[in-house]
Order: sequence, then structure tokens, then C-alpha cells
Amino acid sequence: NAGVTQTPKFRVLKTGQSMTLLCAQDMNHEYMYWYRQDPGMGLRLIHYSVGEGTTAKGEVPDGYNVSRLKKQNFLLGLESAAPSQTSVYFCASRRTGATNQPQHFGDGTRLSIL
Amino acid sequence: DAKTTQPPSMDCAEGRAANLPCNHSTISGNEYVYWYRQIHSQGPQYIIHGLKNNETNEMASLIITEDRKSSTLILPHATLRDTAVYYCIVRVGVGIQGAQKLVFGQGTRLTINP
Repeated sequence: NAGVTQTPKFRVLKTGQSMTLLCAQDMNHEYMYWYRQDPGMGLRLIHYSVGEGTTAKGEVPDGYNVSRLKKQNFLLGLESAAPSQTSVYFCASRRTGATNQPQHFGDGTRLSIL
Repeated sequence: DAKTTQPPSMDCAEGRAANLPCNHSTISGNEYVYWYRQIHSQGPQYIIHGLKNNETNEMASLIITEDRKSSTLILPHATLRDTAVYYCIVRVGVGIQGAQKLVFGQGTRLTINP
């Protein structure tokens, strides 16, 4: 039961470097989400996707880009990392857009920007 | 955003039932109540959800009041591994095609004592 898998689990970057976080789900879910979690801030939605080839902005999209070329994968990119992007990043997936469908989360990527 | 109110912390003895309350007095008629938990350094874990009827699964039971203004999550036989922060959530619609973001409040920190 893989569910939602995030890679890498940990990463340290220098300011200005770029990287891509990978989220993979094996549940054939249509919807996928990227959140960040910071102390005292709760989870904040960065970007989301309602299906292969679609992406949309959440509440804190600046500094991030995403792609959903394959249904099972949702990539989060940081083109030029900044210290303010130090956070724990969680990916989630959801079977459909029906209101009774829960989101299922991965175990997160802990990212530090120096 | 529909808001929820939970006690910041609770304690429960191992083997006893843990009852976690949640107030959601502004919930709309078609909004589900979702419960998640987060064990330290892991991703949020889906537990259960309901609309207006009581629900039970292998993890927990959910009791929703008739007026839907509050609910209680019940862990019938708590174990040490149930120590976590528990979140009661009413999802908020966002953007296209029914995509919804989860609004995590402060949650209840449940400690199971041996």
C-alpha cells in the first residue's frame, strides 16, 4: 500500500538554487494538492490539479510552479529558492471532486533553504 | 471559511475511550465534517468523515449532533500510538471543478498515558 509517496524526504538548498519535489500516487486519483506547513500557520494550499494536464493556483503560489503531465505524478518546482520557502511540504490526492471524498497525504518533504 | 473550535489538549488513559469534541456552528448544509490526525513529523492521516449520520470505521466513530453544530470523534480503545494532534475540519471550496482545500485549525493534542 504505497498510497502517496513524496521524494525526497529531506533536502537542504542554498538561496537561489532550484529543485523539484515529486509526488506520486498509485490510487488513480484525479485531484492532487501541494500544501506547505509552517509553525503556527497550519497547512496552506500552494497549487492543485483537478486532472492530468491541469493546474491551478492555491492561496500561496508565488515562487512555485507545478506540472501534472501524468495522472499519477504532481511535481512542485522552486526555480530560485528563498529562505522564506523553508518549510515542510505535503502532497495530497483525492479520488474525485465529490464532496465526500477525503484527501490522502504523503509523509512530507522537509526543505531548508540557507 | 467555516470554522471549527476544539480544546487545545486532552489526556486519556491507555485502553479507555478517547472522546474528542468539535464545534462547527457555521457549517453549511452540504458540508462534511472531516477528522484527521497528525503524529509528530508525519503527514496528516485521514480518520473519518460524516454529513449528518453517525459513522464508524476501523479506526474510530463519529457522532454528529442533530443540528450539525458539533461532533465528537471517539477512539474506542486508545493506545499509545494514538498520541497525536487531531483536527476537525470542514473543507472550504476553492477554485475550479469542486477542488477544495482543507483548513486545519489548531487541533487537539491528545496524549494517551500508560
